[in-house]
Formats: sequence, C-alpha cells, structure tokens
Amino acid sequence: KQEVTQIPAALSVPEGENLVLNCSFTDSAIYNLQWFRQDPGKGLTSLLLIQSSQREQTSGRLNASLDKSSGRSTLYIAASQPGDSATYLCAVDAGANNLFFGTGTRLTVIP
Amino acid sequence: EAQVTQNPRYLITVTGKKLTVTCSQNMNHEYMSWYRQDPGLGLRQIYYSMNVEVTDKGDVPEGYKVSRKEKRNFPLILESPSPNQTSLYFCASSYLSSGGSYEQYFGPGTRLTVT
Repeated sequence: KQEVTQIPAALSVPEGENLVLNCSFTDSAIYNLQWFRQDPGKGLTSLLLIQSSQREQTSGRLNASLDKSSGRSTLYIAASQPGDSATYLCAVDAGANNLFFGTGTRLTVIP
Repeated sequence: EAQVTQNPRYLITVTGKKLTVTCSQNMNHEYMSWYRQDPGLGLRQIYYSMNVEVTDKGDVPEGYKVSRKEKRNFPLILESPSPNQTSLYFCASSYLSSGGSYEQYFGPGTRLTVT
C-alpha cells in the first residue's frame, strides 16, 4: 500500500526566504502527484499537478519537482510571504483516482 | 462560480442517530469522492464514484454509505454514527484533464462530532 511522508511537519521562516517542502512516497507506480494548500477551516486548494511523465511544474512563485524513481517530490516557494502561511499537502494518485495523502507541512511565514 | 458545497459545515450528534452529509458540485464532473481527515493520519478516502449509480469503497469505508443518483450530488450517510467517526470530512469532485490526470476540487469540509 502506498505511503506518503512529508517532512518537516512544521516550518517557520522569515518573510522573503526561499523554502523547500519535501514529500516522499513508497510506490513509484503513480499516475500523478498533486500539491495542495489547506487553510484553517477551509478545504484544499490545488496548487500544482505533476503528471507521472513530467519532472516539474511551475506556477508563479511555486515550483514542484517529481523524481518518480526515487519516490520524491519537492515544492519550492520563492520569496515567501505571510499569506503563504498554511498547511501544504502532497497526494499521489495511484490510479482510478485513488489519492494517498501525506500528513502535511504546516508553514508559518513570519513578517 | 465553480464549486463543491457541503452541508452542514458543523454537526454535533449522538451515537446511533442516523445522519447525512450532503455534497454537491456544479462543474459537471463525473468523479466524486469522500475523505476523512484525522490528526496524524492525513486524508483517507472513504468512498468514490466514477459516475451516476457507480460507487466503490476507498480505504476506510466501514460505517459509511453513499449514493450517486444524480451527477451533481454525492451524499455521505452514517447509519449509526460512533465516536470514532468524529472527524473532518471532505467531499471532492474531479475531471479528467487533457493531460490524462484527474484534477481534484475540494469542498470546504464538514466537522462532525459524535458523542
């Protein structure tokens, strides 16, 4: 069964810093990997989706990479802002839309 | 506005009292699913539906039922809730993108407490 791990569980950085969030998964047979943002009391917002055949995706200050063979993905956030404070979740699609989620990294950007 | 809605957002109930959490999407997505989120465990899939009248179990289906009579609605039914079903529940819908992957849209969540 697919297991998804996110490290660190929590991270605090000063505003303006670049940062990297990590996600690892145990089974490399995935269809895609998706990064989400979760704000307190709200649902999940999709940030980036990387197909299994892709190496990375970019959206604004966010860049996500995927190394399927090693079972790893990273989410890079450039020039962090207080509004980036949230919990970031990664999820792998093992097929038939069966998503396996990590437990998330809670990010705090300090003004 | 494209969205997934859930009702109620908050619910406190007692053990054994049947309840239904509704989920509706206005994006004409074929695929819908339910997840529960618990501290330290992340989100786990309860049930999913590939289309009308087609449903299947996810990773943690015990104690739950679903139905998909219309494309837009996918209610989650707890026939006899128990305290271990206290959790944060999310409904999601998705579509098959041009890239061949399903992109997920989540509802705002329903916080359920069973006493």
